[in-house]
Amino acid sequence: ETGVTQSPTHLIKTRGQQVTLRCSSQSGHNTVSWYQQALGQGPQFIFQYYREEENGRGNFPPRFSGLQFPNYSSELNVNALELDDSALYLCASSQGQTLAKNIQYFGAGTRLSVL
Amino acid sequence: DAKTTQPPSMDCAEGRAANLPCNHSTISGNEYVYWYRQIHSQGPQYIIHGLKNNETNEMASLIITEDRKSSTLILPHATLRDTAVYYCIAMLTDGSSNTGKLIFGQGTTLQVKP
Repeated sequence: ETGVTQSPTHLIKTRGQQVTLRCSSQSGHNTVSWYQQALGQGPQFIFQYYREEENGRGNFPPRFSGLQFPNYSSELNVNALELDDSALYLCASSQGQTLAKNIQYFGAGTRLSVL
Repeated sequence: DAKTTQPPSMDCAEGRAANLPCNHSTISGNEYVYWYRQIHSQGPQYIIHGLKNNETNEMASLIITEDRKSSTLILPHATLRDTAVYYCIAMLTDGSSNTGKLIFGQGTTLQVKP
């Protein structure tokens, strides 16, 4: 158990819809990162939030957006869903960015299926 | 793109040491080597990390070559529960805009056999 919880665990949407995924970070962690993992691939970095500000983004279109709240929990929003958005979405929390012990702890993920 | 390369798969006998290699010939001085593993359908699990010295914890040992161009993760006594995909990652922790981003490659699928 990492103390990082994600909800929901599974979700089915249809193409064109919008979805919000949630992540509760480990106590004492102020940084949340989101990753997308397609079947058979390694996780791909989407973006990271540090103290409620976006701090870096991977190669994902603007329809992928996020928020981090004052309690450091986070949301990932995806608009205009496409079939290729079907994947496992992973959230990871960490203590910070500049510490040498910056270890990211992952949740179990949300499995999104787009039909 | 990932800055590390790993063999796609490896087998190991239960109870024996598993030695997983990783090449990172373009790693910079500010990049740490992190190892994670992912058991089927779960989130990745942190194993160990290091900069240039060898490291050991309760899960594994990490051996980094002196030139830092490669490293080896050692699981001293592999069990069936160690069957997973193992990822070797070079990660910046210098406060730059790329700090803290884990860039995963394809990893090594380790199969521990009875």
